Amino acid sequence: NAGVMQNPRHLVRRRGQEARLRCSPMKGHSHVYWYRQLPEEGLKFMVYLQKENIIDESGMPKERFSAEFPKEGPSILRIQQVVRGDSAAYFCASSGAMETQYFGPGTRLLVL
Amino acid sequence: KNEVEQSPQNLTAQEGEFITINCSYSVGISALHWLQQHPGGGIVSLFMLSSGKKKHGRLIATINIQEKHSSLHITASHPRDSAVYICAVLLIQGAQKLVFGQGTRLTINP
Repeated sequence: NAGVMQNPRHLVRRRGQEARLRCSPMKGHSHVYWYRQLPEEGLKFMVYLQKENIIDESGMPKERFSAEFPKEGPSILRIQQVVRGDSAAYFCASSGAMETQYFGPGTRLLVL
Repeated sequence: KNEVEQSPQNLTAQEGEFITINCSYSVGISALHWLQQHPGGGIVSLFMLSSGKKKHGRLIATINIQEKHSSLHITASHPRDSAVYICAVLLIQGAQKLVFGQGTRLTINP
Protein backbone atom coordinates (compact mmCIF):
# COMPACT_ATOMS: atom_id res chain seq x y z
CA ASN A 1 0.00 0.00 0.00
CA ALA A 2 1.81 3.04 -1.25
CA GLY A 3 1.99 6.04 1.04
CA VAL A 4 1.08 9.59 0.22
CA MET A 5 2.81 10.64 -2.98
CA GLN A 6 3.79 14.17 -3.86
CA ASN A 7 5.37 15.46 -7.01
CA PRO A 8 7.51 17.07 -7.93
CA ARG A 9 9.80 16.74 -4.92
CA HIS A 10 11.65 19.88 -5.92
CA LEU A 11 10.35 22.72 -8.05
CA VAL A 12 12.16 25.82 -9.19
CA ARG A 13 10.19 28.72 -10.60
CA ARG A 14 10.99 32.29 -11.57
CA ARG A 15 8.96 35.13 -10.15
CA GLY A 16 5.65 35.47 -11.98
CA GLN A 17 5.43 31.85 -13.11
CA GLU A 18 2.88 29.31 -11.95
CA ALA A 19 3.60 26.42 -9.62
CA ARG A 20 1.49 23.25 -9.59
CA LEU A 21 2.01 20.80 -6.76
CA ARG A 22 0.40 17.38 -6.86
CA CYS A 23 -0.64 15.05 -4.08
CA SER A 24 -1.95 11.50 -4.42
CA PRO A 25 -3.46 10.32 -1.14
CA MET A 26 -3.05 6.88 0.30
CA LYS A 27 -5.37 4.29 -1.15
CA GLY A 28 -8.76 4.50 0.49
CA HIS A 29 -8.24 8.01 1.88
CA SER A 30 -10.70 10.65 0.79
CA HIS A 31 -9.44 13.52 2.97
CA VAL A 32 -6.50 15.66 1.85
CA TYR A 33 -4.75 18.46 3.71
CA TRP A 34 -2.11 20.90 2.53
CA TYR A 35 0.42 22.46 4.90
CA ARG A 36 3.21 24.95 4.32
CA GLN A 37 6.53 25.16 6.11
CA LEU A 38 8.35 28.43 5.52
CA PRO A 39 12.14 28.45 6.03
CA GLU A 40 13.00 28.26 9.72
CA GLU A 41 9.32 28.32 10.67
CA GLY A 42 6.79 25.78 11.82
CA LEU A 43 4.12 24.05 9.78
CA LYS A 44 0.92 25.94 9.03
CA PHE A 45 -2.39 24.60 7.81
CA MET A 46 -3.50 25.80 4.41
CA VAL A 47 -6.53 23.87 3.20
CA TYR A 48 -8.59 20.73 3.82
CA LEU A 49 -10.39 19.01 0.98
CA GLN A 50 -12.55 16.00 0.42
CA LYS A 51 -13.32 14.67 -3.03
CA GLU A 52 -14.58 17.59 -5.14
CA ASN A 53 -15.14 19.78 -2.06
CA ILE A 54 -13.12 22.36 -0.16
CA ILE A 55 -13.99 21.88 3.50
CA ASP A 56 -11.75 24.47 5.15
CA GLU A 57 -9.51 26.95 3.36
CA SER A 58 -8.95 29.27 6.28
CA GLY A 59 -5.17 29.00 5.95
CA MET A 60 -4.94 29.81 2.27
CA PRO A 61 -3.64 33.21 1.22
CA LYS A 62 -6.49 35.21 -0.27
CA GLU A 63 -4.85 35.69 -3.65
CA ARG A 64 -2.87 33.56 -6.09
CA PHE A 65 -3.40 30.27 -4.22
CA SER A 66 -6.02 27.65 -5.07
CA ALA A 67 -6.54 23.98 -4.38
CA GLU A 68 -8.67 21.24 -5.81
CA PHE A 69 -9.28 17.55 -5.28
CA PRO A 70 -11.15 16.25 -8.31
CA LYS A 71 -13.21 13.08 -8.45
CA GLU A 72 -10.44 11.44 -10.43
CA GLY A 73 -6.73 12.15 -10.04
CA PRO A 74 -4.53 13.85 -7.48
CA SER A 75 -5.15 16.91 -5.42
CA ILE A 76 -3.51 20.01 -6.89
CA LEU A 77 -2.21 23.06 -5.07
CA ARG A 78 -1.77 25.87 -7.56
CA ILE A 79 0.18 29.04 -6.96
CA GLN A 80 -0.12 31.70 -9.62
CA GLN A 81 2.43 34.47 -10.21
CA VAL A 82 4.83 33.12 -7.60
CA VAL A 83 6.90 35.49 -5.49
CA ARG A 84 10.07 34.83 -3.51
CA GLY A 85 8.05 34.62 -0.29
CA ASP A 86 6.29 31.53 -1.64
CA SER A 87 9.55 29.57 -1.34
CA ALA A 88 8.79 26.88 1.19
CA ALA A 89 8.17 23.18 1.70
CA TYR A 90 4.59 22.20 0.92
CA PHE A 91 3.35 19.04 2.57
CA CYS A 92 0.26 17.10 1.76
CA ALA A 93 -1.37 14.68 4.19
CA SER A 94 -4.26 12.28 3.78
CA SER A 95 -6.56 10.39 6.07
CA GLY A 96 -9.73 8.43 6.34
CA ALA A 97 -12.58 9.93 8.34
CA MET A 98 -11.41 10.96 11.85
CA GLU A 99 -8.17 9.00 11.44
CA THR A 100 -4.45 9.67 11.64
CA GLN A 101 -3.11 11.96 8.97
CA TYR A 102 -0.25 10.50 6.93
CA PHE A 103 2.16 12.94 5.38
CA GLY A 104 3.79 12.92 1.98
CA PRO A 105 7.49 13.67 1.41
CA GLY A 106 6.78 17.28 0.55
CA THR A 107 7.52 19.52 -2.41
CA ARG A 108 10.30 22.04 -1.94
CA LEU A 109 9.48 25.14 -3.96
CA LEU A 110 12.22 27.64 -4.72
CA VAL A 111 11.29 30.90 -6.38
CA LEU A 112 14.18 32.70 -8.04
CA LYS B 1 0.85 33.18 22.74
CA ASN B 2 0.87 30.12 20.49
CA GLU B 3 -1.95 27.64 20.91
CA VAL B 4 0.63 24.83 21.07
CA GLU B 5 3.88 25.25 22.96
CA GLN B 6 6.73 22.77 23.03
CA SER B 7 9.72 22.55 25.33
CA PRO B 8 12.59 22.48 25.06
CA GLN B 9 13.17 24.06 21.65
CA ASN B 10 16.56 22.38 21.39
CA LEU B 11 17.84 19.33 23.19
CA THR B 12 21.26 17.69 22.98
CA ALA B 13 21.95 14.42 24.77
CA GLN B 14 24.33 11.49 24.78
CA GLU B 15 23.48 8.16 23.25
CA GLY B 16 21.56 6.00 25.69
CA GLU B 17 19.94 8.83 27.63
CA PHE B 18 16.23 8.97 28.37
CA ILE B 19 14.63 11.84 26.46
CA THR B 20 11.47 13.77 27.29
CA ILE B 21 9.85 16.39 25.07
CA ASN B 22 6.85 18.31 26.37
CA CYS B 23 3.83 19.83 24.66
CA SER B 24 1.21 22.10 26.20
CA TYR B 25 -1.85 23.42 24.45
CA SER B 26 -4.46 26.01 25.31
CA VAL B 27 -7.40 24.97 23.13
CA GLY B 28 -9.97 22.21 23.09
CA ILE B 29 -8.73 19.28 21.09
CA SER B 30 -10.06 16.01 19.75
CA ALA B 31 -6.62 14.41 19.35
CA LEU B 32 -2.91 15.13 19.49
CA HIS B 33 -0.21 14.00 17.07
CA TRP B 34 3.51 13.55 17.56
CA LEU B 35 5.46 13.89 14.32
CA GLN B 36 9.11 13.40 13.39
CA GLN B 37 10.95 15.35 10.71
CA HIS B 38 14.53 14.69 9.65
CA PRO B 39 16.54 17.58 8.15
CA GLY B 40 15.38 18.21 4.60
CA GLY B 41 13.12 15.24 4.92
CA GLY B 42 9.50 14.29 5.09
CA ILE B 43 7.23 14.07 8.09
CA VAL B 44 6.44 10.81 9.82
CA SER B 45 3.44 10.39 12.08
CA LEU B 46 4.63 8.73 15.27
CA PHE B 47 1.46 8.74 17.38
CA MET B 48 -2.09 10.00 17.46
CA LEU B 49 -3.48 10.22 21.00
CA SER B 50 -6.78 11.23 22.49
CA SER B 51 -6.20 9.81 25.97
CA GLY B 52 -3.77 7.81 28.07
CA LYS B 53 -0.55 6.40 26.73
CA LYS B 54 0.82 4.71 23.62
CA LYS B 55 4.08 2.86 23.09
CA HIS B 56 5.90 1.91 19.91
CA GLY B 57 9.34 0.42 20.26
CA ARG B 58 11.49 2.88 22.22
CA LEU B 59 8.95 5.67 21.90
CA ILE B 60 6.25 6.40 24.46
CA ALA B 61 3.64 9.14 24.23
CA THR B 62 1.33 10.24 27.02
CA ILE B 63 -1.45 12.78 27.23
CA ASN B 64 -3.27 14.38 30.14
CA ILE B 65 -6.46 15.94 28.78
CA GLN B 66 -7.34 17.74 32.03
CA GLU B 67 -3.93 19.41 32.22
CA LYS B 68 -3.74 19.95 28.43
CA HIS B 69 -0.29 18.43 28.31
CA SER B 70 1.46 15.66 26.42
CA SER B 71 4.94 14.19 26.59
CA LEU B 72 7.01 12.18 24.14
CA HIS B 73 9.66 9.95 25.68
CA ILE B 74 12.51 8.14 23.96
CA THR B 75 14.24 5.38 25.87
CA ALA B 76 17.83 4.30 25.12
CA SER B 77 18.27 7.17 22.67
CA HIS B 78 20.38 6.65 19.54
CA PRO B 79 21.99 9.08 17.09
CA ARG B 80 19.43 8.05 14.46
CA ASP B 81 16.75 9.56 16.74
CA SER B 82 18.21 12.99 15.92
CA ALA B 83 15.40 14.92 14.25
CA VAL B 84 12.82 17.60 14.87
CA TYR B 85 9.85 16.37 16.89
CA ILE B 86 6.60 18.23 16.37
CA CYS B 87 3.48 18.23 18.48
CA ALA B 88 0.25 18.97 16.61
CA VAL B 89 -3.33 19.14 17.83
CA LEU B 90 -6.64 18.55 16.09
CA LEU B 91 -9.02 21.25 17.21
CA ILE B 92 -12.48 20.28 18.39
CA GLN B 93 -13.74 23.23 16.39
CA GLY B 94 -12.06 23.62 13.03
CA ALA B 95 -12.77 20.54 11.01
CA GLN B 96 -9.72 18.35 10.74
CA LYS B 97 -6.94 20.90 10.55
CA LEU B 98 -3.82 20.44 12.63
CA VAL B 99 -2.26 23.24 14.67
CA PHE B 100 1.46 22.71 15.17
CA GLY B 101 3.98 23.46 17.86
CA GLN B 102 7.24 25.04 16.80
CA GLY B 103 9.12 21.75 17.10
CA THR B 104 11.92 20.43 19.29
CA ARG B 105 15.28 19.87 17.62
CA LEU B 106 16.84 16.77 19.18
CA THR B 107 20.50 15.86 18.71
CA ILE B 108 21.84 12.62 20.10
CA ASN B 109 25.62 12.41 20.19
CA PRO B 110 27.39 9.05 20.00
